[in-house]
Amino acid sequence: AQTVTQSQPEMSVQEAETVTLSCTYDTSESDYYLFWYKQPPSRQMILVIRQEAYKQQNATENRFSVNFQKAAKSFSLKISDSQLGDAAMYFCAYRSPLYGNKLVFGAGTILRVKS
Amino acid sequence: DGGITQSPKYLFRKEGQNVTLSCEQNLNHDAMYWYRQDPGQGLRLIYYSQIVNDFQKGDIAEGYSVSREKKESFPLTVTSAQKNPTAFYLCASKIGGGLAGTTGELFFGEGSRLTVL
Repeated sequence: AQTVTQSQPEMSVQEAETVTLSCTYDTSESDYYLFWYKQPPSRQMILVIRQEAYKQQNATENRFSVNFQKAAKSFSLKISDSQLGDAAMYFCAYRSPLYGNKLVFGAGTILRVKS
Repeated sequence: DGGITQSPKYLFRKEGQNVTLSCEQNLNHDAMYWYRQDPGQGLRLIYYSQIVNDFQKGDIAEGYSVSREKKESFPLTVTSAQKNPTAFYLCASKIGGGLAGTTGELFFGEGSRLTVL
């Protein structure tokens, strides 16, 4: 079974600075998808960024980018120019094309942004 | 507006009672999912359904039941057999319920908080 590990329960960043959230996963599959979701205090899950495993290029969405290392099974999220609205719980997730495309989530990282 | 509606937002239950959480989507999505969220454990999959009248157990299905009689609806019943039901429950849906991989995004509802008294 696939597992996703987020080793940082909590992180802090100063406003306008850059922060990196770590995620590693375990799988024997070669084709899969990886995601970062944000859960603000409202508890609504919001997709931040996604990466297809067959793509070597790292995904980027405005201030959010990933460092995808397939061989190392690592998928970190970098947030540049951090804003107060970035404060939330961030979840890394793995999806296999098998098993109904279900998502397997990590335990989450709480990100605090200091002004 | 299209989206996923979960109700109720807050629910209190006495021990021994069954309760049903509603999840409705008007996105015309094929697949629907129920997740449970506990502090420090992330989200865990309870049940999922890829098409109408079909559903599969997730990782923590014991004490729960679901039905999928209509494409837009996927209610979750928390039975008295669930020993620790107090949690936050999230429903999600995705276009494309087949086994073939898709890049379809998972859309989430706003969740339901269940507390057992």
